[in-house]
Amino acid sequence: GAGVSQSPRYKVAKRGQDVALRCDPISGHVSLFWYQQALGQGPEFLTYFQNEAQLDKSGLPSDRFFAERPEGSVSTLKIQRTQQEDSAVYLCASSRGTGQETQYFGPGTRLLVL
Amino acid sequence: QQPVQSPQAVILREGEDAVINCSSSKALYSVHWYRQKHGEAPVFLMILLKGGEQKGHEKISASFNEKKQQSSLYLTASQLSYSGTYFCGTEMTSGTYKYIFGTGTRLKVLA
Repeated sequence: GAGVSQSPRYKVAKRGQDVALRCDPISGHVSLFWYQQALGQGPEFLTYFQNEAQLDKSGLPSDRFFAERPEGSVSTLKIQRTQQEDSAVYLCASSRGTGQETQYFGPGTRLLVL
Repeated sequence: QQPVQSPQAVILREGEDAVINCSSSKALYSVHWYRQKHGEAPVFLMILLKGGEQKGHEKISASFNEKKQQSSLYLTASQLSYSGTYFCGTEMTSGTYKYIFGTGTRLKVLA
């Protein structure tokens, strides 16, 4: 019933800390996307899951970024040893199938690294 | 590689029309259009899958010219609720599901 949800909505981290961002997609949605959106910019693709399989992670900026979706529903984006340049809004989106379909976006997690 | 949108920003009076363009230097297989209000998530408007396809949604329609590698979004008789930033999301390689978003167009509708 409900849309895509993300938690936390806001996160302040000290440089060097690890953070975990959670995404709850719409129930039954096969595809899940993570995007990074800097202030005033469009979303930038990070990674894509089809069920539990991570089919594309070419957008992850460095090996400090890691995403998983172990049971094909909830997904977690983990950022290790956060840096100031990681500050952004992290958006999660899901779509029902695997074709070119509507992506439903969550409200995002605003990450600020001090 | 990022599609370029034009104009970058536009201000309209209620009831006026606007066209937003999305141009790519690479071949496009599909184009999505989204509207994002400040501090909110992008909201899907429509998807265009075929060259030359046109779609309409209330007073918002779009076209996709595969040969020219561009798409246009048409807003007619604009309403205050149309204000926001519009992004095109493009799939440049069929079947990858990797969408590259355009540079964005800020639209402000005044009463």
